Amino acid sequence: AQTVTQSQPEMSVQEAETVTLSCTYDTSESDYYLFWYKQPPSRQMILVIRQEAYKQQNATENRFSVNFQKAAKSFSLKISDSQLGDAAMYFCAYRSAGEWTGANSKLTFGKGITLSVRP
Amino acid sequence: DAMVIQNPRYQVTQFGKPVTLSCSQTLNHNVMYWYQQKSSQAPKLLFHYYDKDFNNEADTPDNFQSRRPNTSFCFLDIRSPGLGDAAMYLCATSRDPGAGYEQYFGPGTRLTVT
Repeated sequence: AQTVTQSQPEMSVQEAETVTLSCTYDTSESDYYLFWYKQPPSRQMILVIRQEAYKQQNATENRFSVNFQKAAKSFSLKISDSQLGDAAMYFCAYRSAGEWTGANSKLTFGKGITLSVRP
Repeated sequence: DAMVIQNPRYQVTQFGKPVTLSCSQTLNHNVMYWYQQKSSQAPKLLFHYYDKDFNNEADTPDNFQSRRPNTSFCFLDIRSPGLGDAAMYLCATSRDPGAGYEQYFGPGTRLTVT
């Protein structure tokens, strides 16, 4: 079974600074997807960024980028120019790729990290 | 705007009293998921529907059931809630069950069991 580990429960960053959130995972599969989701307080979870394991290039979405190290099974999220609206819980998640079987549909989440942004 | 809607946002029920949580979507997505998220924990998938095809996770208690009467609606029924079932329940949808398809989440229903 796959596992996702986010070892830092909380982090804090100064507005306009850069912060990196860590995530490691364990899997025996070679083809999979990795995700970062953001869950603001009392609001719905939204997808921040997605990485396909077979792509060597790191994904980027505006101020958000990842450092994907497949051999090390590491998938960190970098937030540049942090804004107050970035304050939220961030979840790293794993999902098996390949044809749907019913049993491989689930996202396996890490425990999350609470990010606070200091003005 | 197309979205995933969950009602109610907050639900209080008594120990052992059946409760139903509702999810609707205007995205016309084929797949609907139910997750349970306990305080300070990761969301955990309970089950999902791909069209009318129901897929239960192996460790989902029998106390939890689901219905999907049409594409737009999906319900989570907890037959006899226990104190340990107090949690946030998240509904999500995706256009296709394939891994590359984004899951869109609703705001959740926070269930309290007294």
